[in-house]
Amino acid sequence: GEDVEQSLFLSVREGDSSVINCTYTDSSSTYLYWYKQEPGAGLQLLTYIFSNMDMKQDQRLTVLLNKKDKHLSLRIADTQTGDSAIYFCAETNSGNTPLVFGKGTRLSVIA
Amino acid sequence: DARVTQTPRHKVTEMGQEVTMRCQPILGHNTVFWYRQTMMQGLELLAYFRNRAPLDDSGMPKDRFSAEMPDATLATLKIQPSEPRDSAVYFCASASPGEVRRQFFGPGTRLTVL
Repeated sequence: GEDVEQSLFLSVREGDSSVINCTYTDSSSTYLYWYKQEPGAGLQLLTYIFSNMDMKQDQRLTVLLNKKDKHLSLRIADTQTGDSAIYFCAETNSGNTPLVFGKGTRLSVIA
Repeated sequence: DARVTQTPRHKVTEMGQEVTMRCQPILGHNTVFWYRQTMMQGLELLAYFRNRAPLDDSGMPKDRFSAEMPDATLATLKIQPSEPRDSAVYFCASASPGEVRRQFFGPGTRLTVL
């Protein structure tokens, strides 16, 4: 079955850039997502990218997709303490079908 | 500001008791998902519905879990009898037929079975 892998932890200093990486196995993935989960809260959709795109930028967030290597990354510029959270990578071959999630990367931002 | 709502937000119960979790999808959304989050397994799909019909419930332990949509504005997830290993956060998400790229998540129900 489909699998999505992420590293579990990332620690960065405030003001630096964070890069969270994700790999997936499903070659028919059409949509790839990044969700953010703050402690005790639900999942918040940060951004998504369609598989025919290489890059998407949205303010401080940049998503890069390497479809050949099935690699997705999320770059957060000028990381702030409020960015501390768990970030989930997810994929689906249709936005209306269940998401397959990675186990999440816990980002810690050090002031 | 349309949101998915879930009740209760927290539930503590004893092993063997019945638990019912409720979800109100965003009005007009025709696809509803139930996910479970645990430390060990991460986020996993339990079941999902489209136009109130179950499409996939292969992620649910059939002997104790059941999911239904009595109407388009309510989805329920029931566990009977509950066991300590069911302790987790249960999320509901909904998606619109016209906004197929986005699934909107509720705040979750944190279940603790003692």
